[in-house]
Amino acid sequence: GESVGLHLPTLSVQEGDNSIINCAYSNSASDYFIWYKQESGKGPQFIIDIRSNMDKRQGQRVTVLLNKTVKHLSLQIAATQPGDSAVYFCAADSGSARQLTFGSGTQLTVLP
Amino acid sequence: NAGVTQTPKFRILKIGQSMTLQCTQDMNHNYMYWYRQDPGMGLKLIYYSVGAGITDKGEVPNGYNVSRSTTEDFPLRLELAAPSQTSVYFCASRFPGPRGQPQHFGDGTRLSIL
Repeated sequence: GESVGLHLPTLSVQEGDNSIINCAYSNSASDYFIWYKQESGKGPQFIIDIRSNMDKRQGQRVTVLLNKTVKHLSLQIAATQPGDSAVYFCAADSGSARQLTFGSGTQLTVLP
Repeated sequence: NAGVTQTPKFRILKIGQSMTLQCTQDMNHNYMYWYRQDPGMGLKLIYYSVGAGITDKGEVPNGYNVSRSTTEDFPLRLELAAPSQTSVYFCASRFPGPRGQPQHFGDGTRLSIL
């Protein structure tokens, strides 16, 4: 099966700096990856996704990088804002019903 | 659209009691999922369904049951509540088909079993 792990359980950054959250996966057959943001008391909220035939995908202030050689992906948040404070999860999509395997999450704290 | 709606938002149960967590979605998604999230952890898949009348076990199905009689609804049943089932439960849904479709989540049911 798949296992997904995040490199740091917590990350603190200064407001305005860039944030990088890392994630590793184990199953080379996983072909779709999603980053979710979870605020306190809420369900996971979709941020950005990437398919395995891509190396990089950009959204508004967010970029996801995928390195299939070392089974690693990262989420970059530009000009981090207080509203970005949350737990961030990466998830790998696999299986016949596109089940998701989640990492344990990184708590991002934005310092004033 | 309301998206994925879960009820109740909070519940306290006594050991041995039973209850049903409700999940409904209005996006006409065939695929639906139940996850649990323990403190400081990621989500773990309990059960999933690819359409009405079809359900299957995920990673942690013991102690739970599901049914899927309609496309919109996917209730999760706890028959004999145990303290180990204290958790936050999330329901999710997505369009069917191959990769490239994210799952959409409800805001969860926070369940404590005492």
